[in-house]
Amino acid sequence: GQQLNQSPQSMFIQEGEDVSMNCTSSSIFNTWLWYKQDPGEGPVLLIALYKAGELTSNGRLTAQFGITRKDSFLNISASIPSDVGIYFCAGQRDLSNFGNEKLTFGTGTRLTIIP
Amino acid sequence: GAVVSQHPSRVICKSGTSVKIECRSLDFQATTMFWYRQFPKKSLMLMATSNEGSKATYEQGVEKDKFLINHASLTLSTLTVTSAHPEDSSFYICSASTGEANEKLFFGSGTQLSVL
Repeated sequence: GQQLNQSPQSMFIQEGEDVSMNCTSSSIFNTWLWYKQDPGEGPVLLIALYKAGELTSNGRLTAQFGITRKDSFLNISASIPSDVGIYFCAGQRDLSNFGNEKLTFGTGTRLTIIP
Repeated sequence: GAVVSQHPSRVICKSGTSVKIECRSLDFQATTMFWYRQFPKKSLMLMATSNEGSKATYEQGVEKDKFLINHASLTLSTLTVTSAHPEDSSFYICSASTGEANEKLFFGSGTQLSVL
């Protein structure tokens, strides 16, 4: 099935650094979601974006829904050890089908913090 | 936020046996549940959409006779991997939705299936 293109694939940073990752698609999505997954666990929702151009924050996390509706980015400021994990973007297309619409996932960004 | 419980978290079985995985919405009624499969270091791939009271909708390439889905109530969906083989070993994750506008999907904690 289709996947969203997510970059970078992996990041190695030092604690305290800021992180930026993005997600792009060749087609439009009407909802963008960002999830974090720890090893052996299911994804946990970080931020949900519902409107083109929307900029939303959740603590040290900030995400934006691109104006073209074909991209989104996630920023993490002042990274801490518990930020380690895999981050996935996900998109939904059909607004009229509300929450029954399936998600298309990005390829993931693996974040590692170097001691 | 909404809680989705998935059980078991880990299962090891012999080749040829069937394995059932449960997905429950604990504090809301889920009209729709989704089942995903994830291989190591890969993204989540949707297998099927489970609708309460009706047949599941399977994604292209997913064998419906191999992966049986039952969504008998608004709080429970089950995925049964029938006659499991080593290539079925994977991480299986469910998610649930109430079907309301701007509803966010919440995920279970996943089931690691290992077929010997």
